Amino acid sequence: AQTVTQSQPEMSVQEAETVTLSCTYDTSESDYYLFWYKQPPSRQMILVIRQEAYKQQNATENRFSVNFQKAAKSFSLKISDSQLGDAAMYFCASQGAQKLVFGQGTRLTINP
Amino acid sequence: GAVVSQHPSWVICKSGTSVKIECRSLDFQATTMFWYRQFPKQSLMLMATSNEGSKATYEQGVEKDKFLINHASLTLSTLTVTSAHPEDSSFYICSARGTGGAYQPQHFGDGTRLSIL
Repeated sequence: AQTVTQSQPEMSVQEAETVTLSCTYDTSESDYYLFWYKQPPSRQMILVIRQEAYKQQNATENRFSVNFQKAAKSFSLKISDSQLGDAAMYFCASQGAQKLVFGQGTRLTINP
Repeated sequence: GAVVSQHPSWVICKSGTSVKIECRSLDFQATTMFWYRQFPKQSLMLMATSNEGSKATYEQGVEKDKFLINHASLTLSTLTVTSAHPEDSSFYICSARGTGGAYQPQHFGDGTRLSIL
């Protein structure tokens, strides 16, 4: 079984600043992937970044990077130089062999 | 690439009618498609997984006779909400995964807002 926990229902950050969203997970599977998805008000699910669990190197996509701590089962998302367009719900997710399990989400507000 | 089209985007219908939602992968072959339900201010909950040419696998608590899923081709899956009632009102999202294996990212449609009066 997989579980994903996001303990921050809401976060806010000043434009151009850096913010980190937290995520912890639990899985009994040896192979798995971790994802961060963004859901803006349009409700479209947009893949932000993904991490293969067997890789030690943290994934990076432009202003988005993760801090993957496998032993601690932690997978946080760092957004640098926050922009107004980053405002959205962010979901952490764990992909096992069968299905993708989402966390509860964190609503990120960007203050101009 | 990896575009998933979901139609309709919004539907309003009377209680007791059936509603069909389509999910199409436009530029790739989707061996597996997924249907999710999302209530306001909540996360996505997986309803069922469908593989092309096979019967869908439903998650615990999801009524398979209420939510009929068909995945007849590698580019199309449909979800039919039969005899819909107000409690079925929700946001339904499909996703599709290509042929690269179980750990490939899922690509999501834009969702369907279903309102049952």
